[in-house]
This record gives sequence, C-alpha cells and structure tokens, in this order.
Amino acid sequence: AQSVTQLGSHVSVSEGALVLLRCNYSSSVPPYLFWYVQYPNQGLQLLLKYTSAATLVKGINGFEAEFKKSETSFHLTKPSAHMSDAAEYFCAVSRLISGANSKLTFGKGITLSVRP
Amino acid sequence: EAGVTQFPSHSVIEKGQTVTLRCDPISGHDNLYWYRRVMGKEIKFLLHFVKESKQDESGMPNNRFLAERTGGTYSTLKVQPAELEDSGVYFCASSQGTNWGPQHFGDGTRLSIL
Repeated sequence: AQSVTQLGSHVSVSEGALVLLRCNYSSSVPPYLFWYVQYPNQGLQLLLKYTSAATLVKGINGFEAEFKKSETSFHLTKPSAHMSDAAEYFCAVSRLISGANSKLTFGKGITLSVRP
Repeated sequence: EAGVTQFPSHSVIEKGQTVTLRCDPISGHDNLYWYRRVMGKEIKFLLHFVKESKQDESGMPNNRFLAERTGGTYSTLKVQPAELEDSGVYFCASSQGTNWGPQHFGDGTRLSIL
C-alpha cells in the first residue's frame, strides 16, 4: 500500500520569502511522486513529477522538489513566493503496474497563503 | 489541445435522486480516472479505465456508483440513488498510454446532495 503525509493544513509566508511544503511518502515499491496545485475553482495542475530519473526535479512557476529516498521525502520549494502562488498544493504517489499508469494516492493537501 | 472537460460543473439534487456526471478526456488518452474529494478529506481514487475496460475499480464506494466508458472515449459516472455522504467534488483525469505521461485533471463537478 502507498500513502502520503502532508503535515499541517495551512502555511503562510510573506511575499519574497522561501516556500517549503513538506511531503513524506510510504511505498513498498519504488515510487513515482508528484506535486499538483489547485487554484480556486479550477482543476488540479501538475507542478512537477519524479519518475526515477534526476532526484532534483524542476517544475513550472519556479518550483522544485528533491526526492530523498533515505528520508522518504519529496518536499516542494520555491526560493521567493509570489502572491499568485496562493493555492492548495497536493503531494501524490503512484507506481507503474504492468506497463500502465496506476492510480494516484494523494496527501490531504496544504493551503499556501502569501502575505503582501 | 483541449483539456479534460467535465459536465456539469455543479449539481444539486435531493437524496434518493439519480445524477450522471460526464467526463471528456483529452483526445487520444487511453487512461481515464475518476477521483472524489469529500469536504475536509483527501482526494480519493474511484476507478481507472484503459480504453473501454475497467483496469481498477477498487475505490468505488458501493454499488450505487456505476461508471461506463463506451467506445473508449468519454466516460459517465452515475450515482443512483444518491445519499448525503456522496456530496463532494468529483474529478476526472486522463493520461496517455504507458509512457508515464502525467494525469491531466478536469475542473471537477461539485455535487451537493440535500
């Protein structure tokens, strides 16, 4: 079984400050890991994904995440927050089964607020 | 290319009624997924189609939920009869075959059962 833990439900940062959103996973097989973002009244948009290539993954809008197997973590960071980053962020885990993309298992999500 | 389209965007029905949600995936995407988010909870997997076949339906909550994907194109998710606990946002996602293309999500259908 796979699971994702996102501690806390809300993070608030000042504009220009570092954004750090934590994600820890549990998986019995090598995982594939994802970060999605949901802006108000929109669907989920893929920020970045890790699929066993480089452990430091760069995504859209200046976000990046580092896969650390020893810590079972895949934390999301952005050096400088922008007001437009305010949204809900989801970490998800999946695995490849018989050559087909399998289901995503999501964390509870974390809401990012950016203060002017 | 057009994204994943879901219809309706909102639906309000009374307990005991029937509702059908529709999802049009991105053209050419063989994989189609349904997920649900109940208020305050995490997004949970319902089922996965590969073309017209159900690959994994382990997340379907009970037999009041029926998903179809005739012809391997659009999919419908019917809830009959609806119960209060079925309220939530239902997301559809699609992805290409086996090359780890990401899952692209629609905007969701917000279902409210009164």
